[in-house]
Amino acid sequence: QVQLVQSGAEVKKPGTSVKISCKASGYNFIDFFIHWVRQAPGQGLEWMGILNPVDGDTTYAERLKGRLTMTRDRSTNTVYMELSSLTSEDTAVYYCARAGSKVGDSWGQGTLVTVSS
Amino acid sequence: DIQLTQSPSSLSASVGDRVTITCQASQDISNYVNWYQKKPGKAPKLLIYDASNLESGVPSRFSGSRSGPDFSFTISSLQPDDIATYFCLQYESVPHTFGQGTKLEIK
Repeated sequence: QVQLVQSGAEVKKPGTSVKISCKASGYNFIDFFIHWVRQAPGQGLEWMGILNPVDGDTTYAERLKGRLTMTRDRSTNTVYMELSSLTSEDTAVYYCARAGSKVGDSWGQGTLVTVSS
Repeated sequence: DIQLTQSPSSLSASVGDRVTITCQASQDISNYVNWYQKKPGKAPKLLIYDASNLESGVPSRFSGSRSGPDFSFTISSLQPDDIATYFCLQYESVPHTFGQGTKLEIK
C-alpha cells in the first residue's frame, strides 16, 4: 500500500536548520509530485512548496523562499525538506503529501518541529 | 496569489444535521479544489477532489459542488465521527493555498 513515512520529531534552537525526510513506498516514486504542508499550533494549514521527483524541480511559497530547500534521492525514494534560520514561528507539524491526478491523496504521519531556546 | 475565503470559521450542529461549508476563490480556478478533513494529531484526509468527486472509501454523506468561484462542501447527515476541522485547497496554480479552515463541533 502507499506509504509516506517521515522522520521523527525535532527540537531546534533559533537560528539553526532542520531537515526532515519523507520516504515513499508502495508506488512508482517518480509518478507523483511531493508537497510539503505545515500546521503551527492552533493555526490552519500552510502550503510550503512542491517537488518534482523526476528532475528535482521545485517551487516554494514566496514567504519561505531563501530559507526552504527541497531535495530528493531517487535511489531511496526519499524527499527531504530543509528549513533554515528557524524562529519560534516555525514551530509546527510538517507533513509531506503526494500529488498526482489527486492532490494529497496520501500523507506522511507528520513531524513536529519545536523551535525553542 | 489566489485567495480562498472559507466560511464559517466554526460551526456547531446536531447529529443528523445537514452541514455546508463554502470556499470562495479570488479568481477562476476551474474545478481545482479539494476538501480535507483534519483531526488533531492526524494527517489531513482527502475527502473530495476536483470540486465534486468523492475519494475512494469516503462515506457518501460527504459531497462537494461548484458554482462559479464558489465551492461548497456538504455533510448530508452529521455523525459524531465527523468532528474535525475541514479545509479547502486550490491547486489551479502555485502557490497552492488553503482556506482558513472550519472547525465543526457537535451541539
